[in-house]
Amino acid sequence: QVQLQESGPGLVKPSETLSLTCAVSGYSISSGYYWGWIRQPPGKGLEWIGSIYHSGGPSYNPSLKNRVTISVDTSKNQFSLRLSSVTAADTAVYYCVRSRFVDYWGQGTLVTVSS
Amino acid sequence: EIVLTQSPATLSLSPGERATLSCRASQSVTNYLAWYQQKPGQAPRLLIYDASNRATGIPARFSGSGSGTDFTLTISSLEPEDFAVYYCQQRSNWPLTFGGGTKVEIK
Repeated sequence: QVQLQESGPGLVKPSETLSLTCAVSGYSISSGYYWGWIRQPPGKGLEWIGSIYHSGGPSYNPSLKNRVTISVDTSKNQFSLRLSSVTAADTAVYYCVRSRFVDYWGQGTLVTVSS
Repeated sequence: EIVLTQSPATLSLSPGERATLSCRASQSVTNYLAWYQQKPGQAPRLLIYDASNRATGIPARFSGSGSGTDFTLTISSLEPEDFAVYYCQQRSNWPLTFGGGTKVEIK
């Protein structure tokens, strides 16, 4: 059974960098699929942040492109998100996901941007 | 960027009734469209992919149709557990985009 689990700080200060990691079990990232991040502000809809293929470069949402970095560590079977210069508008539940049509989701982690 | 517009925003129905949800794309996505269901406090769940294919374990009362720019999710007879928010999503072009959602609520 494929499982994804997000980890990282739940509180980040404005202007700092949000960093999250997604640990994957039950499937080897290097075997295929896109791996990505989606977020959902409280009470709002879903926003795709970006995705990376196991052996290729990332694709990012242009609205976040200058601030976001997604990377893969196949040796640890995990991938990561970094979002710089955060503001209150970045407060959301962040999900790590598999594939462009998402068949597996992490449970989600709430990240609050506040001083 | 492809904009997906879902209608209606809210659908008020009773258990046993048929639900018809719409998703319209700002340009053709061929059949690269999916539907998700989300319940409060949970991650979304994939229902339909490639416009009309049910994901693993999804009941037959859920069906998807459409191509190009107009798509429909139909729930043939609402069960109590079907009251939730539904999102469409396209993977035809980067960036991947979602519709704003349709809430199916109990009348």
